Amino acid sequence: GENVEQHPSTLSVQEGDSAVIKCTYSDSASNYFPWYKQELGKGPQLIIDIRSNVGEKKDQRIAVTLNKTAKHFSLHITETQPEDSAVYFCAAPQPQRGYQKVTFGTGTKLQVIP
Amino acid sequence: DVKVTQSSRYLVKRTGEKVFLECVQDMDHENMFWYRQDPGLGLRLIYFSYDVKMKEKGDIPEGYSVSREKKERFSLILESASTNQTSMYLCASRGLDRGVGYTFGSGTRLTVV
Repeated sequence: GENVEQHPSTLSVQEGDSAVIKCTYSDSASNYFPWYKQELGKGPQLIIDIRSNVGEKKDQRIAVTLNKTAKHFSLHITETQPEDSAVYFCAAPQPQRGYQKVTFGTGTKLQVIP
Repeated sequence: DVKVTQSSRYLVKRTGEKVFLECVQDMDHENMFWYRQDPGLGLRLIYFSYDVKMKEKGDIPEGYSVSREKKERFSLILESASTNQTSMYLCASRGLDRGVGYTFGSGTRLTVV
């Protein structure tokens, strides 16, 4: 099955700085990579995703990059704000049952210090 | 907006009780999931359903069962609750398109005493 590793587990940045979270995956056939943000007391929410036919995708202050050769993808948050403080999860599809399931990373707790 | 609704935000149950966690989605999604979230362990899949009455074990199914009698509803059952099942439980749904993410509910914080 798919193995997803996520680093770092915790990350503290000053407000206005950038934050980068990295994930690696094992199944070279995986083709869709979502990122989720989980705020305190809430369920995870999809914030950005990327398909394997592109190398980068941006949405305002967040971006995701994908390196298929190296089998890793990263979340980039620029000009961080206190409301970016949350736990972030990456995910990659599992090959069983037509990739309907995903494997999640173990999460990164991001703290943005005002 | 797609909505996934979990019936309870907080539950306290006694050891040995039978516990039902309910989840309803309103977007006609074929796939529904139950995850358990514990500190340091991330999200672990308990059970997955890809159609009505169809289910598949996830990574940690022991001590749990599920029921999906209607497409919109997916129930997680703890047959005999134990203290090690104290956790945050998250329900999610997803359509058949492989290129879309999950929609999660807000979670149920279950405490077994």
